[in-house]
Amino acid sequence: DAGVIQSPRHEVTEMGQEVTLRCKPISGHDYLFWYRQTMMRGLELLIYFNNNVPIDDSGMPEDRFSAKMPNASFSTLKIQPSEPRDSAVYFCASSPATGRPTEAFFGQGTRLTVV
Amino acid sequence: AQSVTQLGSHVSVSEGALVLLRCNYSSSVPPYLFWYVQYPNQGLQLLLKYTTGATLVKGINGFEAEFKKSETSFHLTKPSAHMSDAAEYFCAVSPDNYGQNFVFGPGTRLSVLP
Repeated sequence: DAGVIQSPRHEVTEMGQEVTLRCKPISGHDYLFWYRQTMMRGLELLIYFNNNVPIDDSGMPEDRFSAKMPNASFSTLKIQPSEPRDSAVYFCASSPATGRPTEAFFGQGTRLTVV
Repeated sequence: AQSVTQLGSHVSVSEGALVLLRCNYSSSVPPYLFWYVQYPNQGLQLLLKYTTGATLVKGINGFEAEFKKSETSFHLTKPSAHMSDAAEYFCAVSPDNYGQNFVFGPGTRLSVLP
């Protein structure tokens, strides 16, 4: 398996524009997580899904952020409208639900810069 | 609620010296504990994890960690640092065995001096 695949790797956009980040989890994984990483706040969990259903979105900072998982192999994180303070590295991770403790597998991240 | 603290946002060691990165957690239920490493411009990779059983856990690249319930700690060690160990290290806790809702510590940046 190629691992968790995120696109794009880098995104530069102007304030007010819509930004869509994409993630393909590892095949067979039931959990999908979106994290944001900044120098100030470290790694923050934004939202996670189980079997394509959002379970906890309490980490989503504002209504400008939305996430979807239309099927088991694809998820998006959308910011509309984007603001400079949204600049960060956004990670997608997936995890199997095997009933045993297991880890999250991370993608390479998308570095978002909002100017 | 679970939380993780990592003492020292930046640790510097000389090449060949002992590496000790500290992690303390709080959890209302038996935790599952993880150490991840992040190299520049990369995602996080699992170093090792504690689930049940032996409290001394060995991971990749010569790292190991010991779960001490009485101290609520899961410190990461490596006997001899290598230049390639320079990275950011994150301790994480998961409150149950379904791989959900990982809580990460703030991270410790390890520098290895020649």
